[in-house]
This record gives sequence, C-alpha cells and structure tokens, in this order.
Amino acid sequence: DADVTQTPRNRITKTGKRIMLECSQTKGHDRMYWYRQDPGLGLRLIYYSFDVKDINKGEISDGYSVSRQAQAKFSLSLESAIPNQTALYFCATSMDTQETQYFGPGTRLLVL
Amino acid sequence: ILNVEQSPQSLHVQEGDSTNFTCSFPSSNFYALHWYRWETAKSPEALFVMTLNGDEKKKGRISATLNTKEGYSYLYIKGSQPEDSATYLCAFDRNDYKLSFGAGTTVTVRA
Repeated sequence: DADVTQTPRNRITKTGKRIMLECSQTKGHDRMYWYRQDPGLGLRLIYYSFDVKDINKGEISDGYSVSRQAQAKFSLSLESAIPNQTALYFCATSMDTQETQYFGPGTRLLVL
Repeated sequence: ILNVEQSPQSLHVQEGDSTNFTCSFPSSNFYALHWYRWETAKSPEALFVMTLNGDEKKKGRISATLNTKEGYSYLYIKGSQPEDSATYLCAFDRNDYKLSFGAGTTVTVRA
C-alpha cells in the first residue's frame, strides 16, 4: 500500500464551487506539505504543517485553505475555485528538515 | 521566492549514451540540495540529498555532484536506458523548513 495517498486522483469542477483535496499518510511523519505543479514551473508550496497545531502559508496560499485533522491527514480546500487553479496538486510528508520529502500520487484538478 | 534554475528544460539522448544537466541555486544560506526523479503519472521520488560542498552521490548509473560555493549541482546519467526517461527535479533547502524546486529537466531516452 502507498505510504502517501491522495483523493480524488482527478477532479473536474466549475468556477465558484468549493472543493476539498485530501491527503493521508502512514509514514508517521509530522511534517506535511501541499504543492501545486504547473507546466514549465517548479513545484510551488501552498501550505505546510509541522504538526496538528502548526499551519503555515507557503508562497502561493491565496485562494486556498488547509486543515490538519490528525498527524496522518492534511486537507487542502479551494473555497471558490477559479480556472487558474487548474493544476496538478501534490501532497508530501517528511520526518524533518534536510530529510527527503515523500510525495503522494497527485490530484489533477480542472476548473471550468 | 528563491531562484532555482535547471537547464536544459528538456533533452533527448540515445540509448547507451551518457548525459548530464545542471541545477543552479543561490550560494548563500545553503543547507541542502535535493534531487528527485519524476516519471509520468507517478509520484516524484527522492534520488539524493546533498549537504556538503564537493559531495558526490551515486545510485546505480545516476550520480550527482555539488558545488555550494558557486551554487550548482550536476546530475549525470551514464549509459542511458529507456527507463531513465523522466523529469529530474532539484530542490534547494535553506533550512527554513521549505524546499524551493526548479522546473525540472525532462530526459527522453530513445531506443
């Protein structure tokens, strides 16, 4: 079984809709991250969390919110989706700084 | 936002040939440099974490070198095989708990 899972894997939604992307991990890592990937750009950090009580904005947090429901779960919400949020979204986990980040399989989101 | 650049953006290599490509990053506040391999429709997977100037890491036919003073890392693929086709990502770590990723170099190995 995969250590980092994301649901859904693909999603099509309409402008203005609220959507939630979910991430679960069985690695026991405290640190979790949400990134988006757009063609020709590097992975860009949306939000990150070091534990259940610690949530931090990344470089492109506008239009997104997150919830860390448990050590193992980190959800990303788009409160009112817009077309330029169409992207591939990755969740990742790590044990600590300087440690490898482990990525989920990604969620491909299309906002019409 | 840190400027991490990878070049070239893409390259094609004949099976059996060797190739290399570059990751450039800020030379100040260096903590670590990560390399990931990302195959289409899969998750990015870690190749190396490099921390010391002059570091050289190797995994099979893939190796990487690091120059923190001038801010670059090379990744080498020796005797490329079709299964080496992927996008290779580097990420700069300045110990502020976040990674800054380059856009990647996409390698296509032709049989």
